[in-house]
Amino acid sequence: QPVLTQSSSASASLGSSVKLTCTLSSGHSSYIIAWHQQQPGKAPRYLMKVEGSGSYNKGSGVPDRFSGSSSGADRYLTISNLQSEDEADYYCETWDSNTHKVFGGGTKLTVL
Amino acid sequence: QLQLQESGPGLVKPSETLSLTCTVSGGSISSNNYYWGWIRQPPGKGLEYIGSIYYSGSTYYNPSLKSRVTISVDTSENQFSLKLSSVTAADTAVYYCASHLAAAPNNWFDPWGQGTLVTVSS
Repeated sequence: QPVLTQSSSASASLGSSVKLTCTLSSGHSSYIIAWHQQQPGKAPRYLMKVEGSGSYNKGSGVPDRFSGSSSGADRYLTISNLQSEDEADYYCETWDSNTHKVFGGGTKLTVL
Repeated sequence: QLQLQESGPGLVKPSETLSLTCTVSGGSISSNNYYWGWIRQPPGKGLEYIGSIYYSGSTYYNPSLKSRVTISVDTSENQFSLKLSSVTAADTAVYYCASHLAAAPNNWFDPWGQGTLVTVSS
């Protein structure tokens, strides 16, 4: 079963860009992952899927400031022109067959 | 557009069984397009996958919880349910229901319910 590794925290200034990383475990570097955003006190919200090729597809209503990319076993979420409402926890998710699901530990993003 | 809403007791005593229901609106739980799942989040911690069910009744459970978890579906009420037995304080968490497409490889959770806090305490 795959394991997802995320840094516990990240910070960046208002109006700048930040790149969050989700790393797949050995043997699972081709897996698709999904990024979810969890604002304080709210339920998670699906942002996008990111494939091993680097292609990504965003969910409905996700601002253009959010983008995805990939390199090897790493899957990235880049947020440009950071806004205060982007301060949140970000989780990656993957799956092994249709239902064997795994979440990363989450990255807490602070907007300075 | 699918919407999911959790309901159930907010307080459960240690050693008892936690029971939650998720009501689906905007679509049929009998659809062969979706799986229906449960995820939990202890206070201040990350997300933990509990399990999923297909409308046919086929289930998958997280191996770490499998011995205590039962997920079932009620097609007449357009609901699915979670039962977690022999609870302890470690089961205190916000419990979310969510759906994901059945067709690989697009199997991420979307949408999510708003979540419900369950506290285990005497």
